[in-house]
Amino acid sequence: DTAVSQTPKYLVTQMGNDKSIKCEQNLGHDTMYWYKQDSKKFLKIMFSYNNKELIINETVPNRFSPKSPDKAHLNLHINSLELGDSAVYFCASSQGLGLTGTYGYTFGSGTRLTVV
Amino acid sequence: DQQVKQNSPSLSVQEGRISILNCDYTNSMFDYFLWYKKYPAEGPTFLISISSIKDKNEDGRFTVFLNKSAKHLSLHIVPSQPGDSAVYFCAATGSYQLTFGKGTKLSVIP
Repeated sequence: DTAVSQTPKYLVTQMGNDKSIKCEQNLGHDTMYWYKQDSKKFLKIMFSYNNKELIINETVPNRFSPKSPDKAHLNLHINSLELGDSAVYFCASSQGLGLTGTYGYTFGSGTRLTVV
Repeated sequence: DQQVKQNSPSLSVQEGRISILNCDYTNSMFDYFLWYKKYPAEGPTFLISISSIKDKNEDGRFTVFLNKSAKHLSLHIVPSQPGDSAVYFCAATGSYQLTFGKGTKLSVIP
């Protein structure tokens, strides 16, 4: 029973298209995140939601829009896809905003997005 | 601006020997540090953590050492096993946001 699940696992699409990546967690966590791992292997935070409220919005193009219909879901919609958007996108969740004393985040297995 | 640095992209170790993975950070506000392990096609999984009030934390074969004055931490794996072969990410936080290093790929040779 997967704790944090992302779909799809692989996504190949053409430039200019609009696509969505879905994320669901069944851990009862109240905070969810989207991270991007680019070609240089950096894991960089994009967004964070706590109880459906946006709390972190890093410098990400407006083409990226997260949507959290409830605490268990955080979807990522990307408009007008560009070649540079190709990366692996990880969803994660945690309980509460503080990480001290916890196990940090629980990550999904990632979505490899390839824009051609 | 890399606040968390893992300067060794890869490391090869013989099975049974010690693996030492290093991590440096620049942000003095970081007070909690974590190590994550990642296998191909999977998300990172939590391995071990340490609070800035400690200088060592041990969990089985894994030990994390923190040197606050040097802003340096290291992960020791003893003895190393082939199943330990993975990418190891160092992460740090001073609030609720994790900042990750680029990772070090560990290969344990049987």
